[in-house]
Amino acid sequence: DTEVTQTPKHLVMGMTNKKSLKCEQHMGHRAMYWYKQKAKKPPELMFVYSYEKLSINESVPSRFSPECPNSSLLNLHLHALQPEDSALYLCASSQAAAGDYNEQFFGPGTRLTVL
Amino acid sequence: QKEVEQNSGPLSVPEGAIASLNCTYSDRGSQSFFWYRQYSGKSPELIMFIYSNGDKEDGRFTAQLNKASQYVSLLIRDSQPSDSATYLCAVPYSSASKIIFGSGTRLSIRP
Repeated sequence: DTEVTQTPKHLVMGMTNKKSLKCEQHMGHRAMYWYKQKAKKPPELMFVYSYEKLSINESVPSRFSPECPNSSLLNLHLHALQPEDSALYLCASSQAAAGDYNEQFFGPGTRLTVL
Repeated sequence: QKEVEQNSGPLSVPEGAIASLNCTYSDRGSQSFFWYRQYSGKSPELIMFIYSNGDKEDGRFTAQLNKASQYVSLLIRDSQPSDSATYLCAVPYSSASKIIFGSGTRLSIRP
């Protein structure tokens, strides 16, 4: 199984809502990532988890809260988002986080719209 | 100076021709290089990776790496309309657990 899955595919939420994005992989990878991608821009790294511990937070606002319950699952909790947070949210995984030769495999993404 | 640079395009290539996509990077310590293809509205898909100087071929795709010039390219032979997409060059940042993406080159194959 070489797949990263993400749910939901689409999400529309108001600025006062709380929602969560979910990501799962069964490749035995020990690093998982959240990216945000706006139209016509490359993916922008948000968080890196390595061996279920948060290793990188790219100065992401606290209204985004990541969680890694186990080595296969990654969540992104959303609260009090702004319309400018509307984007494609991508999850990725790789064998390990540190060093070279670690290809990242992306899930299909969640298209988020904040009203 | 941007860490990974690509020409944003659009690059328009006739069907059946060779499409050539280029990428330069600034981190001399980088050892591995990836090419992702991204269709509009979809997620990036890894199509090639290269670690050693020279050429690496996989079907219609050839990746070329020149570490001395800090240059990596992707050639697509016999281009098909289905190759129309944005191609992202990605380079692991040698001192951190992340990869740096170029801004992507939009490729259009015209019938």
